[in-house]
Amino acid sequence: QKEVEQDPGPLSVPEGAIVSLNCTYSNSAFQYFMWYRQYSRKGPELLMYTYSSGNKEDGRFTAQVDKSSKYISLFIRDSQPSDSATYLCAMSRTKAAGNKLTFGGGTRVLVKP
Amino acid sequence: SAVISQKPSRDICQRGTSLTIQCQVDSQVTMMFWYRQQPGQSLTLIATANQGSEATYESGFVIDKFPISRPNLTFSTLTVSNMSPEDSSIYLCSVETGTGANVLTFGAGSRLTVL
Repeated sequence: QKEVEQDPGPLSVPEGAIVSLNCTYSNSAFQYFMWYRQYSRKGPELLMYTYSSGNKEDGRFTAQVDKSSKYISLFIRDSQPSDSATYLCAMSRTKAAGNKLTFGGGTRVLVKP
Repeated sequence: SAVISQKPSRDICQRGTSLTIQCQVDSQVTMMFWYRQQPGQSLTLIATANQGSEATYESGFVIDKFPISRPNLTFSTLTVSNMSPEDSSIYLCSVETGTGANVLTFGAGSRLTVL
């Protein structure tokens, strides 16, 4: 069993819809949670960064962490065609420099105009 | 955050050959990380490269197959040796950003296809 599970998609939604993405994990030691966005032929770029349980909002993006359920989510409101990308969750045990990140496999999202 | 340049962006290689990927960062960094992204798979850390010391390899990756150089604080190379089709993948260089430890900035990646 993988440490971090993520539905590969693809997830296709019409423009303006809410995109809902999630990851489950098995290691209760994870405390720091990230979402990266990766456009085709580009490297991943950080989208959201959260610590422990709770919600964090940044513009159209909301990240949720439920450590009791070992479940994290990313919501994209008012989705745009430019949101079409692969979204990867990542997590780590500490924020110490050099600490290894564990990534999910990524969910491909397609927002249709 | 740092800007990372990787070369080559893509290449098609023959079985049994080796290829060296270069990673240049626009600022000095202590650690540089090399990841592999296989089709449909998650990013997997190959090794951590520190300037002036041997790279630290993750389980399943060995120096003979993936030798790494780190001659200074802005540059690193990863060589994929004696390639087989199973090495077809995207190889990504990354560094920790100033926004917080364990938050990474990635290069655009080097897409290798081994025939």
